[in-house]
Amino acid sequence: EVQLLQSGAEVKKPGESLRISCKTSGYTFTNYWINWVRQMPGKGLEWMGRIDPRASSTNYSPSFRGHVTVSVDKSITTAYLQWTSLKASDTAMYFCVRLRSVAGVPFFDSWGLGTLVIVSS
Amino acid sequence: DIQMTQSPSSLSASVGDRVAITCRASQSINSHLNWYQQKLGKAPRLLIYAAASLQTGVPSRFSGSGSGTDFTLIISSLQPEDFATYYCQQSYSVPPAFGQGTRVEIK
Repeated sequence: EVQLLQSGAEVKKPGESLRISCKTSGYTFTNYWINWVRQMPGKGLEWMGRIDPRASSTNYSPSFRGHVTVSVDKSITTAYLQWTSLKASDTAMYFCVRLRSVAGVPFFDSWGLGTLVIVSS
Repeated sequence: DIQMTQSPSSLSASVGDRVAITCRASQSINSHLNWYQQKLGKAPRLLIYAAASLQTGVPSRFSGSGSGTDFTLIISSLQPEDFATYYCQQSYSVPPAFGQGTRVEIK
């Protein structure tokens, strides 16, 4: 069974750094891109970026490029989303998501339960 | 970047109703269109991929159609567990944008 187990909720202050994790199991980690999706309180889904665990190549949404970093540790089949300086506007739920493709059409087939990040002074 | 627009933004329906949600892309995305369901406080769940393919385990009352720029999600007979928010998402190009969501509420 494919599982994406995300780290627990975080409460941080503006300017602090943070790394949240997504531990995967039940499949070959290097065969599927991992994506991160943000959902601000009461709002819709926003794609942030993705990483190919095989080569650690990344793509970012222009809205998030330069503010977050996605990475992986293949030895423990875990993906990470990192901030060096949080803002209050980073308060949101963050989902890690596996990308699968069938007949050349990619889709998000497995989702973590989400990590709630609250940034408040 | 490709923009996705869903309509309606919300709807009220009764159990047993047929419900249709539409999604329009700002340019052609062939059949690179996926649908997700999100219940309150939960992670989204994949319903339909490649415009019309039903994900394993999803009830057959859900169906999808369309290609190019216009797509539709149909729930043939709304059940109590279907009250949720539904999102379309294009996977034709990066960034893979979501629609703004359609909230399905109980009438």
